[in-house]
Amino acid sequence: GAGVSQSPSNKVTEKGKDVELRCDPISGHTALYWYRQSLGQGLEFLIYFQGNSAPDKSGLPSDRFSAERTGGSVSTLTIQRTQQEDSAVYLCASSPRVAGRGETQYFGPGTRLLVL
Amino acid sequence: AQTVTQSQPEMSVQEAETVTLSCTYDTSESDYYLFWYKQPPSRQMILVIRQEAYKQQNATENRFSVNFQKAAKSFSLKISDSQLGDAAMYFCAHTGTASKLTFGTGTRLQVTL
Repeated sequence: GAGVSQSPSNKVTEKGKDVELRCDPISGHTALYWYRQSLGQGLEFLIYFQGNSAPDKSGLPSDRFSAERTGGSVSTLTIQRTQQEDSAVYLCASSPRVAGRGETQYFGPGTRLLVL
Repeated sequence: AQTVTQSQPEMSVQEAETVTLSCTYDTSESDYYLFWYKQPPSRQMILVIRQEAYKQQNATENRFSVNFQKAAKSFSLKISDSQLGDAAMYFCAHTGTASKLTFGTGTRLQVTL
């Protein structure tokens, strides 16, 4: 079946603009994660959605970052008033079962964001 | 807080030889899971192997195996009969009570002829 898909693959934006990054998880997967991969910070957790529970937003670096998951499927990560330090690869992952713990996370190809 | 340390930024191995990538971690939890992910230039993270901490038996997937030393908090990855397609970044990762993954800084593996 289809894997996790993300769009766009690459995004170039100007400082101060808002951007939206999209993630389509594997069908039927109840858990969805966003991570950020940057040269300076490595791979960092951003946010986690599990079923109908309140999301774990503990990794969001500032209030310029937000995410939503509609209908328990597609997720959008929004970065407002982008800054150059937001330049990174944004990775989305999903996992199959409600319990979440220890489940393998399946990753998408990522969106490379460049803020000029 | 959990931490994962990969002390080898780069490793090189000849085709058909064996290489071991190191990983240590720190956690206060007794129930947790460890992973090795591979990231080729295409950027997509691919699961290589998964280990449940409560299982003493080391996980194995074809040419990939781990040496899990729970007391030492060590989780190394052994790649046997290395192939050109094994060249990639390898990340060690941990998850516990919180479902998020905590990653190490990665090891870039080069495979030479």
